[in-house]
Amino acid sequence: DGGITQSPKYLFRKEGQNVTLSCEQNLNHDAMYWYRQDPGQGLRLIYYSQIVNDFQKGDIAEGYSVSREKKESFPLTVTSAQKNPTAFYLCASSMDDISLHFGNGTRLTVT
Amino acid sequence: DAKTTQPPSMDCAEGRAANLPCNHSTISGNEYVYWYRQIHSQGPQYIIHGLKNNETNEMASLIITEDRKSSTLILPHATLRDTAVYYCIVRPRGNTNAGKSTFGDGTTLTVKP
Repeated sequence: DGGITQSPKYLFRKEGQNVTLSCEQNLNHDAMYWYRQDPGQGLRLIYYSQIVNDFQKGDIAEGYSVSREKKESFPLTVTSAQKNPTAFYLCASSMDDISLHFGNGTRLTVT
Repeated sequence: DAKTTQPPSMDCAEGRAANLPCNHSTISGNEYVYWYRQIHSQGPQYIIHGLKNNETNEMASLIITEDRKSSTLILPHATLRDTAVYYCIVRPRGNTNAGKSTFGDGTTLTVKP
């Protein structure tokens, strides 16, 4: 089945360490997105990529970095510069402008 | 994107219709209404979208008022699995706009036995 795979489901890191969250899709979608969700709140856009080797900052890009070397993959690195990295991170993709397809998220806890 | 207002929470009895309202009084002529839902600890799922006509698919119906200032998502026969947070989003069509949708706090729908 086609879909978006985020791994791992739960991730624990010590403060000061960079951590990379994986997002892979086999939907052949051009566009991919990363969101952050805090408890009881909606989604906020971190980064997005419309095409391979190109990406744009979203609303809360500070402390994060991404790469898009392959169409299928859009990894997100949470750097030590991110002040409050503990959150639920969601990756999504889209082929057209109608609907987003989401993965099931990675819950990152930094202590 | 136009701002949307949704009630924070609603309850519905299993088997009954769930009617989720959304106010978008500042919607522009080129903006569509989209609905997604998010079951706990999962990614959001697209439900339906529309411009000005009522829409229906296998999941739900979308009723948009004639002045387009509000809409209602209808789940005709709610089940316990419909318990989720429902997001109403208003934005223009366009290839660069899908992922830049604004997901606010949504409505938490609880379906009760």
